[in-house]
Amino acid sequence: EVQLLESGGGLVQPGGSLTLSCEASGFTFSSYAMNWVRQAPGKGLEWVSTIAGSSGSTYYADSVKGRFTISRDNSKNTLYLQMSSLRAEDTALYYCAKADVVGVIKSRSTDCWGQGTLVSVSS
Amino acid sequence: DVVMTQSPLSLPVTLGQPASISCRSSQSLVNGDGKTYLNWFQQRPGQSPRRLIFKVSYRDSGVPDRFSGSGSGTDFTLEISRVEAEDVGIYYCMQGTHWPWTFGQGTKVEIK
Repeated sequence: EVQLLESGGGLVQPGGSLTLSCEASGFTFSSYAMNWVRQAPGKGLEWVSTIAGSSGSTYYADSVKGRFTISRDNSKNTLYLQMSSLRAEDTALYYCAKADVVGVIKSRSTDCWGQGTLVSVSS
Repeated sequence: DVVMTQSPLSLPVTLGQPASISCRSSQSLVNGDGKTYLNWFQQRPGQSPRRLIFKVSYRDSGVPDRFSGSGSGTDFTLEISRVEAEDVGIYYCMQGTHWPWTFGQGTKVEIK
């Protein structure tokens, strides 16, 4: 069974930093691009970032470019999101989501989401 | 980025009755490979999203056949043939044709 388990969320002050993790199991992690998608309280879904399976290619939403860094450790089946210069508008539930097709860098969909980890940015 | 517009945003339905959600994109979702990458997700209260439909009309494994997707180009529809209590939640369309992924605002389905 495919499983994604996020962790690392919490309360942080504006301008602060936080690193999220997503531990994957049940599939060949290194073969799939991985994504972060966030959901502000009571709001819709927003794609944040994508990383290819093995090439290391990365992509970011304009709203987080230059502040967030996505990375992965395929030996640990773990995806990361390093967040810095955090703003109140970054407050959200952050989901990791697996690409639905093996080997594709920019997948067209996702077929599995984690349960999310909550990031709150407030003084 | 491609803008996805859903309607209605709130949909009260009677148990056993059909329901329909519309999703329109600001540009055609037909990809260069001829495929249309339009997905539908269900988010039940307190849960993470779950994909129901991919490539307009293909149901994911385990999705009841009362859910169906249709459409082409810029206009798409999710239909529930007979709403059940477990269908309560928010439904999102998402396009994957044009990078980056973009989502509709969500349609909240509730029981009358």
